[in-house]
Amino acid sequence: GQNIDQPTEMTATEGAIVQINCTYQTSGFNGLFWYQQHAGEAPTFLSYNVLDGLEEKGRFSSFLSRSKGYSYLLLKELQMKDSASYLCALNTGGFKTIFGAGTRLFVKA
Amino acid sequence: GAVVSQHPSRVICKSGTSVKIECRSLDFQATTMFWYRQFPKQSLMLMATSNEGSKATYEQGVEKDKFLINHASLTLSTLTVTSAHPEDSSFYICSAPPPGGYGYTFGSGTRLTVV
Repeated sequence: GQNIDQPTEMTATEGAIVQINCTYQTSGFNGLFWYQQHAGEAPTFLSYNVLDGLEEKGRFSSFLSRSKGYSYLLLKELQMKDSASYLCALNTGGFKTIFGAGTRLFVKA
Repeated sequence: GAVVSQHPSRVICKSGTSVKIECRSLDFQATTMFWYRQFPKQSLMLMATSNEGSKATYEQGVEKDKFLINHASLTLSTLTVTSAHPEDSSFYICSAPPPGGYGYTFGSGTRLTVV
């Protein structure tokens, strides 16, 4: 089976940088997703890592290390609107995606 | 971009009744769609994979007779919660893989409350 671990909650200050970690155990996967989900809304796609390394997209970057079973999402220049849950998810093949429990990020002024 | 429309957004029903939730891909065809359930402060749990023209594939522990899935066309999948009970109250979300992309597109979700 698969297991995905993320911190439950994090708090950061507006304008700062925050790193949300994700560790996983799985027998194999195609790639790793990060999604953002605001309360009561559906998730929105942020990034997808297939190869090891850092993928940068504007204020958001995502990193993957397959050998370490580890990923992180880096958010720069935090804004209040970034307060949301961030979901780490594995594409286990055949379009199937398994989600972690998510990390609730609180951005304070 | 690819859009998935989900209706209704909120529904309140009486215990013992059935509720149907629709998920439509608006500008692309989806041979496969996914149904998730999310309880408060928890992650999305995959319930089943909806396959156009064939039977849905259910995850372990999900009652196929209770959660009926129909994928009759390339743009529409429906989830019917039969004989709903208060413990079925949850946020149900569908998703579909968009053509040519990695990020799955999610519907807006349906908040089901069974009273």
